[in-house]
Amino acid sequence: GAGVSQSPSNKVTEKGKDVELRCDPISGHTALYWYRQSLGQGLEFLIYFQGNSAPDKSGLPSDRFSAERTGGSVSTLTIQRTQQEDSAVYLCASSAQEGGQPQHFGDGTRLSIL
Amino acid sequence: GESVGLHLPTLSVQEGDNSIINCAYSNSASDYFIWYKQESGKGPQFIIDIRSNMDKRQGQRVTVLLNKTVKHLSLQIAATQPGDSAVYFCAENSHNTDKLIFGTGTRLQVFP
Repeated sequence: GAGVSQSPSNKVTEKGKDVELRCDPISGHTALYWYRQSLGQGLEFLIYFQGNSAPDKSGLPSDRFSAERTGGSVSTLTIQRTQQEDSAVYLCASSAQEGGQPQHFGDGTRLSIL
Repeated sequence: GESVGLHLPTLSVQEGDNSIINCAYSNSASDYFIWYKQESGKGPQFIIDIRSNMDKRQGQRVTVLLNKTVKHLSLQIAATQPGDSAVYFCAENSHNTDKLIFGTGTRLQVFP
């Protein structure tokens, strides 16, 4: 597709379960970002991938959160042993190169932990 | 309507009027700034960006102004339309990092 695609669009799961969220960036974009948005809040940076460089994981809130990017394209964000405070919208963005270029966002995955 | 816990500053304007949304940023080293529009249930949509070597940039019906002296950014929307109703976020980025730092957002409500 032409834009950033995220799946699933909604995910409801029980506390303690693991979840995987997927992001397909815009074709050709080398930079990929994950953000989290809680209700009525701005976006909180989680992790950033650029090409083959080591990812910037400085925003991950705990070791329950991890992400990988296979083949420089699709990315998966994994949350293990989910907690209720993990409930949020998880947004993925991509850009043509690092820094100084607009990031283009998908519509996010709304995660609800029961 | 608003959800419990949602306390965004709100700007209400009449259709056809001009809107000005303001943003203060904190990092004097930031050299790239972006405005995003976010509609309910959607991801942020890029509107316009500006680099720190500029103080004004214009797009279609939108203008971004940057005042580095007081670390202030504004978005002006001309002839505001009902479709402009959304939450608007400013974001800053330093060339030393590659992650955007977002403001808390402003809700723009356009009434007929």
